[in-house]
Amino acid sequence: KAGVTQTPRYLIKTRGQQVTLSCSPISGHRSVSWYQQTPGQGLQFLFEYFSETQRNKGNFPGRFSGRQFSNSRSEMNVSTLELGDSALYLCASSLPRANTGELFFGEGSRLTVL
Amino acid sequence: GENVEQHPSTLSVQEGDSAVIKCTYSDSASNYFPWYKQELGKRPQLIIDIRSNVGEKKDQRIAVTLNKTAKHFSLHITETQPEDSAVYFCAATVDNYGQNFVFGPGTRLSVLP
Repeated sequence: KAGVTQTPRYLIKTRGQQVTLSCSPISGHRSVSWYQQTPGQGLQFLFEYFSETQRNKGNFPGRFSGRQFSNSRSEMNVSTLELGDSALYLCASSLPRANTGELFFGEGSRLTVL
Repeated sequence: GENVEQHPSTLSVQEGDSAVIKCTYSDSASNYFPWYKQELGKRPQLIIDIRSNVGEKKDQRIAVTLNKTAKHFSLHITETQPEDSAVYFCAATVDNYGQNFVFGPGTRLSVLP
C-alpha cells in the first residue's frame, strides 16, 4: 500500500507570493491533517479535514487555508507569504474513525521564503 | 487549549544506558498520548501510545507511563542503541472527535557508542 505522498518536496518563494501544497493520503484514509514543523517549535497543528469538511483548526492566521477533495486528497494554501512561513509542512492521514489513531506522515514539503 | 511541555530538549546517553523523556499536559480532558520518533531527514513515525485508562504500556525496549493526577507522561527506552538516536515528540489529544494533536517541542536523543 502506498504511503502518504506530498508534492512538491521542495520549493522556494518570495515574500508576498502564495503557495499551494498537495497531499495524497493512504488509500482508505479519510482524515488528513496538516502540521508546520520548524526548528525548536516542534509540530504545530494547522487543520484537519474529514470527508471534505474542516473538522479542526489550529491557531494560524487566515492566510493559511486548506481543502479536501472527494477522493480524500488535500491541498493547503498559504497566501501573502512571510519569511516566518519558511518551514517543513507535513501532511498526515489516518483511518476513517471518529476517534484518534496513528498518524501516517508524508515526507513533507519544505518551503523556503526569501 | 491544550499545552504540552517536554523535557529535556536534548539528551545524550551511552549505548546500553536508559533514556527517559518527560512530558506534561495542561488539559485534563486529554486522554490519548502518542510518542513519535523522527530520524534525521525522515518523517515522524509512531513508536508507542497510551490511553488514559492505562497507567503503563511496554513494547520491547520502549515503555510509556502515565500519571493522570499529575498530568504527565514519560517515555522510557532501555538498553539504548545507536539507531535510537532521533528526535522524539510526545503529543496529547482528546480522543473523541477528530485528529487534533498538540505536540511537545521534541527531544533530540543521541546515543553515543
